[in-house]
Amino acid sequence: EAQVTQNPRYLITVTGKKLTVTCSQNMNHEYMSWYRQDPGLGLRQIYYSMNVEVTDKGDVPEGYKVSRKEKRNFPLILESPSPNQTSLYFCASSPSPVSSYYEQYFGPGTRLTVT
Amino acid sequence: TQLLEQSPQFLSIQEGENLTVYCNSSSVFSSLQWYRQEPGEGPVLLVTVVTGGEVKKLKRLTFQFGDARKDSSLHITAAQPGDTGLYLCAGALGEGDDKIIFGKGTRLHILP
Repeated sequence: EAQVTQNPRYLITVTGKKLTVTCSQNMNHEYMSWYRQDPGLGLRQIYYSMNVEVTDKGDVPEGYKVSRKEKRNFPLILESPSPNQTSLYFCASSPSPVSSYYEQYFGPGTRLTVT
Repeated sequence: TQLLEQSPQFLSIQEGENLTVYCNSSSVFSSLQWYRQEPGEGPVLLVTVVTGGEVKKLKRLTFQFGDARKDSSLHITAAQPGDTGLYLCAGALGEGDDKIIFGKGTRLHILP
């Protein structure tokens, strides 16, 4: 089954404790992306990756890091989480965003609470 | 910063009524998508429009891309309770910019 998986689905942590949210897709997609979703602000892109070893900042990259060492995996790293990073996070993948026709497949989401 | 203004933010109507959701921007998009999101799940793609003036239909849903590719609309005919959900528009800027911009969403509630 074609899918995007994220782990963990729920995480409560404390300020400053480094964490990683994993994302994996089995569709051989080139493009992967991380979003955060907050009430009243909608979905905002954090980072995206066009292919292995190619990453770029989205609209809200501060406080986050990503890596793309393999095509299927795109982990999101919070080196020193803060309470303002409490949010619902989604990973997504697509064949390519710059082609004339693409679809983003979203993971199930990770609800992160930083106290 | 590119923005996609989506309106209305909230809409509650009776079953059987028609409605339109709008997505507007000052930016030109190479393509624009509409997604629907259920509580506790990720967004699911409904449609992609890529050509200015394009109209696509998905059962009772009609999607239109503006001639200048800066705006889009979603029209639902004879809304049903099953249409309840969060509707999101998202635009790809293209032209060397690989970011994807989402609107803030329209939360639609259809009353039986």
